[in-house]
Amino acid sequence: GQNIDQPTEMTATEGAIVQINCTYQTSGFNGLFWYQQHAGEAPTFLSYNVLDGLEEKGRFSSFLSRSKGYSYLLLKELQMKDSASYLCAVRDPDSWGKFQFGAGTQVVVTP
Amino acid sequence: EPEVTQTPSHQVTQMGQEVILRCVPISNHLYFYWYRQILGQKVEFLVSFYNNEISEKSEIFDDQFSVERPDGSNFTLKIRSTKLEDSAMYFCASSSGTGGPYGYTFGSGTRLTVV
Repeated sequence: GQNIDQPTEMTATEGAIVQINCTYQTSGFNGLFWYQQHAGEAPTFLSYNVLDGLEEKGRFSSFLSRSKGYSYLLLKELQMKDSASYLCAVRDPDSWGKFQFGAGTQVVVTP
Repeated sequence: EPEVTQTPSHQVTQMGQEVILRCVPISNHLYFYWYRQILGQKVEFLVSFYNNEISEKSEIFDDQFSVERPDGSNFTLKIRSTKLEDSAMYFCASSSGTGGPYGYTFGSGTRLTVV
């Protein structure tokens, strides 16, 4: 079956670091993406991993281990504007770019 | 930065009525998608569209749904006879490829409320 799991909610303090884990069991794999979604808005692209390892992009980093079916998104130096839902998504290799999304992790940044 | 635009931003319709949701994808993108997100739930795939035809559709995309690219710019989703459970945020997305780092650019969504 297809399954993407991520925690429902995480709370952290402004300036801190938060790590959002994502585990997936999917029938195929053609890349793992992280999106940020503010309430009532569209998801926006954050990161892409297809090979094992860490991809760093400013305050955000994403890690992938394909053998473990595991990824994490690391948010450093948290800012209030980082309060949002973070969606883990796996692209299906056998389709025309179809993504399967996790349910999202709501990150709440407190002062 | 190029955007995917969707209209209307909000639509309220009576059960059984037809609605058309409109999208203008990024002009040089070739792959188009509709997703929906019921309030508090995950983003779900509805349909992908390439080369003027449906590439893939989900179980949700039944005979009540159709998509069309009537001209070179618009991409529409039609729901023929809306049901209460069609209430959701509908996102259009486009992409320039289906592999590599080509993620989606999502539109800002249409919130559909069926009453």
